Amino acid sequence: DAGVIQSPRHEVTEMGQEVTLRCKPISGHNSLFWYRQTMMRGLELLIYFNNNVPIDDSGMPEDRFSAKMPNASFSTLKIQPSEPRDSAVYFCASSFVTPFSEQFFGPGTRLTVL
Amino acid sequence: AQKITQTQPGMFVQEKEAVTLDCTYDTSDQSYGLFWYKQPSSGEMIFLIYQGSYDEQNATEGRYSLNFQKARKSANLVISASQLGDSAMYFCAMQDTGFQKLVFGTGTRLLVSP
Repeated sequence: DAGVIQSPRHEVTEMGQEVTLRCKPISGHNSLFWYRQTMMRGLELLIYFNNNVPIDDSGMPEDRFSAKMPNASFSTLKIQPSEPRDSAVYFCASSFVTPFSEQFFGPGTRLTVL
Repeated sequence: AQKITQTQPGMFVQEKEAVTLDCTYDTSDQSYGLFWYKQPSSGEMIFLIYQGSYDEQNATEGRYSLNFQKARKSANLVISASQLGDSAMYFCAMQDTGFQKLVFGTGTRLLVSP
């Protein structure tokens, strides 16, 4: 069975441009998470969805970031406009919610904003 | 608020020896889960092992075991018979019943030498 799929794997863009990151969770999983990893802040949750509904978006840095999950098999994270400080690796993860369950991570998207 | 502390930025071990990676946590919740993930240089996040707060036995998964000491709020990862492929970053993480998100520590970089 395929794991979590993210695209693109690498993105280089210029400041001010719109960036859209995509994620396909593992089939049957009902929770989806977006994390960001930087040297300065480590791994931090941006937002997570349960049954396609955003549950906690307190980690979204500011209004420039938005995320959607239109159906159970697809999610996007959009940054508009992008800034150099958004450069990071963005991970998507999915899980099947039980009281505690491991999250399966995608390969990540390495974003560089020039 | 939940907090995970990993005090060892880097650890060195010789091949075939055992190594312990430290993790302490802070939470006011009685029910929670503790996880370890491995991040090799290729960047993906790989789930290793899980321990529930009410589990009486320490978790084991092959060469990985979790030394869970609830009173001390520690969840150390023990890798037995280290292999060169174990060289990677290792992250300890916590999840509680109220929130599905994982809160990560800062990680420990393990280097296994021949």
